[in-house]
Amino acid sequence: DQQVKQNSPSLSVQEGRISILNCDYTNSMFDYFLWYKKYPAEGPTFLISISSIKDKNEDGRFTVFLNKSAKHLSLHIVPSQPGDSAVYFCAASEGPGNTGKLIFGQGTTLQVKP
Amino acid sequence: DTEVTQTPKHLVMGMTNKKSLKCEQHMGHRAMYWYKQKAKKPPELMFVYSYEKLSINESVPSRFSPECPNSSLLNLHLHALQPEDSALYLCASSLTTSSSYEQYFGPGTRLTVT
Repeated sequence: DQQVKQNSPSLSVQEGRISILNCDYTNSMFDYFLWYKKYPAEGPTFLISISSIKDKNEDGRFTVFLNKSAKHLSLHIVPSQPGDSAVYFCAASEGPGNTGKLIFGQGTTLQVKP
Repeated sequence: DTEVTQTPKHLVMGMTNKKSLKCEQHMGHRAMYWYKQKAKKPPELMFVYSYEKLSINESVPSRFSPECPNSSLLNLHLHALQPEDSALYLCASSLTTSSSYEQYFGPGTRLTVT
């Protein structure tokens, strides 16, 4: 049973436009959500995170929105750049006990066209 | 320095071989992780070490044996692996296992079992 889902395997946008990547989760005990970017042959790189007590966090071109009632989060990239082309993973942290356990979604491949 | 290093980058081993994967970080992090990632799949947690003690083993077969000799080093000893164990093995670290601290990933070791 997938607790974290990214239903869009791929997304293509034009350079300069907004990229919106979506993620849904089922476990209401998750207390932190993170977005990672992964290039081929490299490890995932941390992008941005959000606590479950917030509904928005912004860092430069990247903004993450959390809708707890819908169990949905999204990553907005504005403006999109060709260097943003990568696989984006949404991850959720199991809250109680601070186990360090991260559960990843399946990933969305973003292509930003020049 | 926000780098997690892993050696070797690539490893080919037979089913009767014994080999080890190494991971190192010098960020003062006290939590370290091993993940396994198959092609076009998300990373899957294998082990968590917290303050050099094994805190999570995600029901990983005993042919994988983790070791944390000190707070900067993490090893994964491999013995009698199967071809289906071929994957990218990722090491990560974080300040502690608290949800509020993001995990930093190394570039991974691409393992092929023949």
